[in-house]
Amino acid sequence: DQQVKQNSPSLSVQEGRISILNCDYTNSMFDYFLWYKKYPAEGPTFLISISSIKDKNEDGRFTVFLNKSAKHLSLHIVPSQPGDSAVYFCAASALGNQFYFGTGTSLTVIP
Amino acid sequence: EPEVTQTPSHQVTQMGQEVILRCVPISNHLYFYWYRQILGQKVEFLVSFYNNEISEKSEIFDDQFSVERPDGSNFTLKIRSTKLEDSAMYFCASSDYLSTGSGNTIYFGEGSWLTVV
Repeated sequence: DQQVKQNSPSLSVQEGRISILNCDYTNSMFDYFLWYKKYPAEGPTFLISISSIKDKNEDGRFTVFLNKSAKHLSLHIVPSQPGDSAVYFCAASALGNQFYFGTGTSLTVIP
Repeated sequence: EPEVTQTPSHQVTQMGQEVILRCVPISNHLYFYWYRQILGQKVEFLVSFYNNEISEKSEIFDDQFSVERPDGSNFTLKIRSTKLEDSAMYFCASSDYLSTGSGNTIYFGEGSWLTVV
């Protein structure tokens, strides 16, 4: 039961360009969304969040967009840097319950 | 910066043995979680814990698993009679309040690799 989907397992972007990572969900009750970054053999690191009352949240180079009607969110990283190379997970929760994670997208930023 | 710490970082155990994974959540957090990630698969929720009891658990979290907060700082995951398929990275996480739509962030530890042989 995949309630949160990241359909692109990998993405390669040139340094300085924009990286766009996508995430789709099926549960209309989800009201809070998070993006995490994960390096190999390390725990997920929180990046940015958005609640369902907003459609955009920005933090430095990272912006998350939420399209509730499409049940879609995206993470934009601009400009992309080689240090951004990692696996990015989106996660969603409903009404304070458990977070459901996507399968992740591996981002490679090419210098 | 406060962080969630986990021990051991890696444990190899024989099938059928019991394993205890330990976690020290961020000190002012009240909600604690265990997640796991089998190699190459998604991060999966196991259990959440609040006020000294389990608040939610997944179907993965069967009688083989238990959690405990033995003192004011530690949060443990016990896996009894380990199986080969329990091999995974186990992540502890903590947060200071449940999502109400106004914001909640869970912070993860570095993970404990469990290899069952």
